[in-house]
Amino acid sequence: GQQLNQSPQSMFIQEGEDVSMNCTSSSIFNTWLWYKQDPGEGPVLLIALYKAGELTSNGRLTAQFGITRKDSFLNISASIPSDVGIYFCAGTLVTGANSKLTFGKGITLSVRP
Amino acid sequence: DAGITQSPRYKITETGRQVTLMCHQTWSHSYMFWYRQDLGHGLRLIYYSAAADITDKGEVSDGYVVSRSKTENFPLTLESATRSQTSVYFCAGLDSGSGSDTQYFGPGTRLTVL
Repeated sequence: GQQLNQSPQSMFIQEGEDVSMNCTSSSIFNTWLWYKQDPGEGPVLLIALYKAGELTSNGRLTAQFGITRKDSFLNISASIPSDVGIYFCAGTLVTGANSKLTFGKGITLSVRP
Repeated sequence: DAGITQSPRYKITETGRQVTLMCHQTWSHSYMFWYRQDLGHGLRLIYYSAAADITDKGEVSDGYVVSRSKTENFPLTLESATRSQTSVYFCAGLDSGSGSDTQYFGPGTRLTVL
């Protein structure tokens, strides 16, 4: 099936640093979504992207839908301890309510105080 | 708040038993989904439903059954639980009203099969 690639599996940064995460695919996606999952909770939507080249911000988070539609990145600026968690990218191949999400395996982010 | 609740939050059962995980939504999502999350695999789709009485298989549907007699409920049943079904299960709903593909997740059910 289709796959979204996220690497590395884990990232360790210092509080206050910026961090960037990539998500790539060999297929073209119509929608890119970024989720964050805290321990013991379900994934929570951070940012949704619907157009190639789109750059969207949500507070300290910024995400972009790659021009080729085969990748997306998420930036977190001035990291804080509560940024700790697993960050998933997800995408849909078909636009619309009947589309199914494909998920990356996630990146576990640790923030050292 | 995504309007998705799941119960129970934790469940321990034995191999061969039938177990049902409940999912309830209050946002009138037309589409609902069940995923399982396992280390090294991320989130994998088990079943989804486009509306009441309409369901379809996902990537890992073997050993699972779903029903959707009412729009707000989407229970997932393991007919004869196996140890390989030990996992965290998430229910999600789709916000189709905005015309987007955005899915919202419940808090999850952690299932252990002994």
